[in-house]
Amino acid sequence: QVQLQESGPGLVKPSETLSLTCTVSGGSISSYYWSWIRQPPGKGLEWIGYIYSSGSTNYNPSLKSRVTISVDTSKNQFSLKLSSVTAADTAVYYCASRIAVTGTSIAYFDYWGQGTLVTVSS
Amino acid sequence: AIQMTQSPSSLSASVGDRVTITCRASQGIRNDLGWYQQKPGKAPKVLIYAASSLQSGVPSRFSGSGSGTDFTLTISSLQPEDFATYYCLQDYSYPLTFGGGTKVEIK
Repeated sequence: QVQLQESGPGLVKPSETLSLTCTVSGGSISSYYWSWIRQPPGKGLEWIGYIYSSGSTNYNPSLKSRVTISVDTSKNQFSLKLSSVTAADTAVYYCASRIAVTGTSIAYFDYWGQGTLVTVSS
Repeated sequence: AIQMTQSPSSLSASVGDRVTITCRASQGIRNDLGWYQQKPGKAPKVLIYAASSLQSGVPSRFSGSGSGTDFTLTISSLQPEDFATYYCLQDYSYPLTFGGGTKVEIK
């Protein structure tokens, strides 16, 4: 059973960089899409971006200028950096794995971390 | 980005009721749509993918339908454990976008 666990600071100051890591256990990080998704308190879900195990990335244009997602296959981890944060970036951040079968409509987030609340405040 | 409009935003229902939630895409997305259930304090869980395919382990009272721009999630007989918030997600193009959510509450 694949398990994902987010880790990182729960409090970040405005204008600084939010950094989170997702550790994957029970399976290999290879040959999968790894995403970050966030949810402001009491609100809906927003996809931030993904990284494939090869290192290719795709980011939400709404955050693209501030987001970097990277992968460390040797540690079975992938990471999120979000720069120049404001209070609007306060959210629960989830890491998730996405299965997508090329040439079909089969695509979904199958495994999720428990989520970690990051608050942006001075 | 493709906009996903979900309705209603909330509903009250009783155990045993048939519940229908709809999701409309701002442009055609074939059948590249999933439905997710989220309970308070928990990560979302996939129920349906490819508009109508039931994820393994999900009870058969959940079903999905639709193609193009209009999609439906149906719970045939609402159970106590089904009270949650439901989200649709389009997988057709990036950025992936979620609907605003439907909170299903106890009447």
